[in-house]
Amino acid sequence: QKEVEQDPGPLSVPEGAIVSLNCTYSNSAFQYFMWYRQYSRKGPELLMYTYSSGNKEDGRFTAQVDKSSKYISLFIRDSQPSDSATYLCAMRDTGGFKTIFGAGTRLFVKA
Amino acid sequence: EADIYQTPRYLVIGTGKKITLECSQTMGHDKMYWYQQDPGMELHLIHYSYGVNSTEKGDLSSESTVSRIRTEHFPLTLESARPSHTSQYLCASSVPGRDGYTFGSGTRLTVV
Repeated sequence: QKEVEQDPGPLSVPEGAIVSLNCTYSNSAFQYFMWYRQYSRKGPELLMYTYSSGNKEDGRFTAQVDKSSKYISLFIRDSQPSDSATYLCAMRDTGGFKTIFGAGTRLFVKA
Repeated sequence: EADIYQTPRYLVIGTGKKITLECSQTMGHDKMYWYQQDPGMELHLIHYSYGVNSTEKGDLSSESTVSRIRTEHFPLTLESARPSHTSQYLCASSVPGRDGYTFGSGTRLTVV
């Protein structure tokens, strides 16, 4: 069983929709949670970073962590065609060095 | 714009050839990493470095080697390329005490 599970999609939504991207994980020791956005033929770029449980908002993006359910989410409000990309979740524990990445969800936002 | 550079961006090479993938960063980051990424798959850590003259193998046995003689430079070498090495290779760096990596744009390697 993978430590981090992420639906590969693709997820196709109309412009302006609210997008929900999710990951589940099995290691209860994970404390640091990240979302990366990766455009085609580019490397991933850090989008959101949260520590432990709770919400974090940055513009149109909101990251949520529910440690009791081992479930994290990224919400994109008022989605734009420029949001079309692959979104990867990533996480690690407090003492560990290694960051575990999900396989990514491909998102298409149609104009 | 990320300050981490990978060359070449694309490479097609024959089986058995020796190749070096270059990675340089201008941010002064101590930690650097090499990841392998295949379509629809998780990133797999190949090698990492905490600083000059420090290198460690990651999870993936890729038959590659790395060196870290200068802070800014972290090249990856395949002594004898095989078709199974066909993949995208991503270099990244980070700052101690802060999470999140800065990634380069990657090298897409095809071994024929």
